Amino acid sequence: EADIYQTPRYLVIGTGKKITLECSQTMGHDKMYWYQQDPGMELHLIHYSYGVNSTEKGDLSSESTVSRIRTEHFPLTLESARPSHTSQYLCASRVTGYNSPLHFGNGTRLTVT
Amino acid sequence: KNEVEQSPQNLTAQEGEFITINCSYSVGISALHWLQQHPGGGIVSLFMLSSGKKKHGRLIATINIQEKHSSLHITASHPRDSAVYICAVLPTQGGSEKLVFGKGTKLTVNP
Repeated sequence: EADIYQTPRYLVIGTGKKITLECSQTMGHDKMYWYQQDPGMELHLIHYSYGVNSTEKGDLSSESTVSRIRTEHFPLTLESARPSHTSQYLCASRVTGYNSPLHFGNGTRLTVT
Repeated sequence: KNEVEQSPQNLTAQEGEFITINCSYSVGISALHWLQQHPGGGIVSLFMLSSGKKKHGRLIATINIQEKHSSLHITASHPRDSAVYICAVLPTQGGSEKLVFGKGTKLTVNP
């Protein structure tokens, strides 16, 4: 069983608020990812990290930022939430290695009103 | 056009039936993933393939690199198999972390 946790599970917030979505894993994985998924649509990579102090933007343009100060923790921050940010956000991790599988958290479903 | 196409989009089966879900892609890849997403949203990795065939319980995944095609088979399907099955590929170009995902196949298995 994968040990990767996301909080909150659901979040409803007003426009303009700053929010941080939490993601933690206890497996010691060096690689971590944030994906965004709209209902019925494919996942899109918004940020990833190779390890501590290493972060990169993904393919999907995002107004969010991430940090990786500790191996186990990869929070995602929206400085000013907008209705267009309404989506599901999924965190994942894996060890470095050609054949290592992804482990996903249960996701955060964000609604910005 | 998405680089990863899955078919069918939706699939309804009776318990016990043999299920096949297909995935075609248009780029060179180093690996292909099959994922399962339950209604709550959580995703589980089922298989990662770079060639040939893998089996885990009632699930079988195959890949044909030359034809750029993979299939996921479920034998003796059960209502608990109801989920969205997602195919994702790791292109050989464009960075080693950027998986490209299909839109998923929604499977419903009726008792």
